[in-house]
Amino acid sequence: SAVISQKPSRDICQRGTSLTIQCQVDSQVTMMFWYRQQPGQSLTLIATANQGSEATYESGFVIDKFPISRPNLTFSTLTVSNMSPEDSSIYLCSVGETSEQYFGPGTRLTVT
Amino acid sequence: AQSVTQLGSHVSVSEGALVLLRCNYSSSVPPYLFWYVQYPNQGLQLLLKYTTGATLVKGINGFEAEFKKSETSFHLTKPSAHMSDAAEYFCAVSEGGGADGLTFGKGTHLIIQP
Repeated sequence: SAVISQKPSRDICQRGTSLTIQCQVDSQVTMMFWYRQQPGQSLTLIATANQGSEATYESGFVIDKFPISRPNLTFSTLTVSNMSPEDSSIYLCSVGETSEQYFGPGTRLTVT
Repeated sequence: AQSVTQLGSHVSVSEGALVLLRCNYSSSVPPYLFWYVQYPNQGLQLLLKYTTGATLVKGINGFEAEFKKSETSFHLTKPSAHMSDAAEYFCAVSEGGGADGLTFGKGTHLIIQP
């Protein structure tokens, strides 16, 4: 399975600022996904990021708030824009292989 | 639209006892089904998956799950619980395997009593 790393692993940010989270994979993958896990909650899909096309966002998530880049087959970024305390969550990227998905370690974001 | 229901937000069993975590799903197409485990302050680890074929699937750490189409269920079991099994367990469904985003259940926190 692919090895996935994320940077930063955690951060504390002030409201109104933006944070860009990086996801790096050790092999080329077509499908990458971004999820959010709010405190004590399950995971919710934010968007699907395929190389060479615009990200596809799930209901309740918009590009202005969560812009995503996918410049190549091993890398993606998610930006959390104009942050508020409600954005405090763990953000995880995952990669899709033939029949399953593997997850990165996550980025724990706290907004004060 | 697909959905997942996990019965019981917390399940407590004694060490050595049977572990049973319940998962029911809905999907408009034959589903891909997954169980993930999340240990405290760690990412998600894939325990096992069902795609097609044999309905009883075996995963890591002695866990297994059975796909029952008639009951739309995919319950996770382990014959004998170990203290190290204490974690959060998530059931998830996808209509496209690795090509589609996953829909997760709310999770079940497994507590192991000594």
